[in-house]
Amino acid sequence: GESVGLHLPTLSVQEGDNSIINCAYSNSASDYFIWYKQESGKGPQFIIDIRSNMDKRQGQRVTVLLNKTVKHLSLQIAATQPGDSAVYFCAEMFSGGYNKLIFGAGTRLAVHP
Amino acid sequence: DAGVIQSPRHEVTEMGQEVTLRCKPISGHDYLFWYRQTMMRGLELLIYFNNNVPIDDSGMPEDRFSAKMPNASFSTLKIQPSEPRDSAVYFCASSLTGRGYGYTFGSGTRLTVV
Repeated sequence: GESVGLHLPTLSVQEGDNSIINCAYSNSASDYFIWYKQESGKGPQFIIDIRSNMDKRQGQRVTVLLNKTVKHLSLQIAATQPGDSAVYFCAEMFSGGYNKLIFGAGTRLAVHP
Repeated sequence: DAGVIQSPRHEVTEMGQEVTLRCKPISGHDYLFWYRQTMMRGLELLIYFNNNVPIDDSGMPEDRFSAKMPNASFSTLKIQPSEPRDSAVYFCASSLTGRGYGYTFGSGTRLTVV
């Protein structure tokens, strides 16, 4: 596969528990944020996004929270399943710039039965 | 749609050789991005195109790297000469709007330079 064996922080959870993955972003001018999931051997896959005029956005089993004061994002996954095991990246963009998507370092989520 | 298609999936080459990575974006998408993923630096944006025109190549590490997009359905990333530190997974992504939710990534090319 195409995973790079990143030495990342790892979050270990039991199947059925809720997971919270945190991310600090760098640019206070960033106004659009995305969470991506990368499974082994695959490219990053879009999960959910949020714009800076929002504090919270919910999807199916996932919620993203944005705290602009401290430049912090979190991804909450409800009832975590084995298929959620992957590396999760937050990404930021300044829409007034060149539409560059800048990725964070990533967190590995390990779900145990 | 088959998604973003990259080739080859794996490439092993000797230091000093020329390497060409290929990408076919999703039909109709007008943005194309090249990223590199390494253990040390994570996912880095190298260059991106809009309507086949390079918009920002500030992430290209040095002159040994070049990228072209001769038409809307094909792009190449070339490294000449290659060095061991170029070993990484290279991803191509395409987008219709330039926004993150529209980014679709390919499966990547794992490059090993020995």
